[in-house]
Amino acid sequence: GQQVMQIPQYQHVQEGEDFTTYCNSSTTLSNIQWYKQRPGGHPVFLIQLVKSGEVKKQKRLTFQFGEAKKNSSLHITATQTTDVGTYFCAGPQGGATNKLIFGTGTLLAVQP
Amino acid sequence: GAGVSQSPRYKVAKRGQDVALRCDPISGHVSLFWYQQALGQGPEFLTYFQNEAQLDKSGLPSDRFFAERPEGSVSTLKIQRTQQEDSAVYLCASSLGGLAGGKSYEQYFGPGTRLTVT
Repeated sequence: GQQVMQIPQYQHVQEGEDFTTYCNSSTTLSNIQWYKQRPGGHPVFLIQLVKSGEVKKQKRLTFQFGEAKKNSSLHITATQTTDVGTYFCAGPQGGATNKLIFGTGTLLAVQP
Repeated sequence: GAGVSQSPRYKVAKRGQDVALRCDPISGHVSLFWYQQALGQGPEFLTYFQNEAQLDKSGLPSDRFFAERPEGSVSTLKIQRTQQEDSAVYLCASSLGGLAGGKSYEQYFGPGTRLTVT
C-alpha cells in the first residue's frame, strides 16, 4: 500500500540553528499538506502544496513540493523554542479521496 | 468560532467493555474523519464521512469498531469488547469539503480522546 516516510525521526538543535525534515511518498500525490503537533496536543494544519515544484514560505518556514510530486520538505530557519513539536506531512491516498495518509513524523527538540 | 470538540478527553476501560467516543465537528463542515494515533506515531486513518454517508471505513481495524454520523453533524466512534491493543489516542477531524481538482481541504483536529484499556 501507499507509504509516506519522513526523515529524520528526531532532530535536536540549538536555538537559532536551522532544521529540515524530508517527506517521501511511494506514490505520486495530488497535493501534500503539513501539520504540526505540539507535545500533548493535536495536529494543526500549516500549509498545502499542490503544484509540481511549488515553494511556499511562512515567516521562517519554507515548504517545497518536489517536481515529481512524490517528495516534499520543510525547512525552518533560525529555530525558536516555540518550534518544538512533531511535524507531519500528509497526502491524499488515491486519486479521488479526501483520505489522508500521514507520514511517520519528525520530532523537533530545540535547546535554548 | 468553536473548533472541533471531543468527549471524553480520557477514558479508561476494562478489557471487554464497550466504549463510545463523541466528536462535535465545526458547524457546517461536510467531511468528518476519525484517526487512531499510537504513541510516537502519525495519525492513522480509520473512517470518513461526507455528511451522514460513511464513504470509507477501510481503516477500521476490526468489526468491533463502528462509527456513525446519523444527522451529518455529531459523530460517535464505538468500540465493542475493547482489547489492550485498542489503547491509543482517537482523533476526530473535520473539513469544509472533500477533494476537488487535486486540492484537499485542510482538516481541523479535535483534542482527541486518550483511551486506555486495562
